[in-house]
Amino acid sequence: NAGVMQNPRHLVRRRGQEARLRCSPMKGHSHVYWYRQLPEEGLKFMVYLQKENIIDESGMPKERFSAEFPKEGPSILRIQQVVRGDSAAYFCASSPRLGQGAGTEAFFGQGTRLTVV
Amino acid sequence: GDSVTQMEGPVTLSEEAFLTINCTYTATGYPSLFWYVQYPGEGLQLLLKATKADDKGSNKGFEATYRKETTSFHLEKGSVQVSDSAVYFCAGGGSQGNLIFGKGTKLSVKP
Repeated sequence: NAGVMQNPRHLVRRRGQEARLRCSPMKGHSHVYWYRQLPEEGLKFMVYLQKENIIDESGMPKERFSAEFPKEGPSILRIQQVVRGDSAAYFCASSPRLGQGAGTEAFFGQGTRLTVV
Repeated sequence: GDSVTQMEGPVTLSEEAFLTINCTYTATGYPSLFWYVQYPGEGLQLLLKATKADDKGSNKGFEATYRKETTSFHLEKGSVQVSDSAVYFCAGGGSQGNLIFGKGTKLSVKP
């Protein structure tokens, strides 16, 4: 059973371009989470998705950022018109189910390191 | 809202020293609690977890006990090794079904 797969591992974009980050969850996992990690900082929650639904996007910037998790295929985090401040590591995690009392942990991918030049 | 407060680092210890990293969680209920570890250039790996009060999670010599009264989940290890150098994150299950993370504590162990 392959782990959470993220690609690309490294992505360089010029200011104003679009960045597309992909995440394939572990087999059997229907919940996907995206986190952003700035250099020397912790993890900031961005968005939580189930298949075809956004459950919680409270951590996602209102503009330029979007996420989807279609019925078929990987979850995509899209950043339009990237700026230097978007440079960070973006981590995806998946789980069968999380929540209070569920006791089920999330499994993380290796991350995509986005550099905006 | 839900939040995790974690001891800030960096923490520098000599090999075989005792380690404690404090973590407390604020929530309306009693969520599952986790410790994750991140080695340089990698993603996060689950280190240990506890799903209810008084549960003790343990792995690789690390331990943490879920204290209901204080909603604390302090990470401890009796004798650290150089290979334990990493960033450690405390996390709790959020009310929305996501995971809430602390800011992370960087541990450096010197030989």
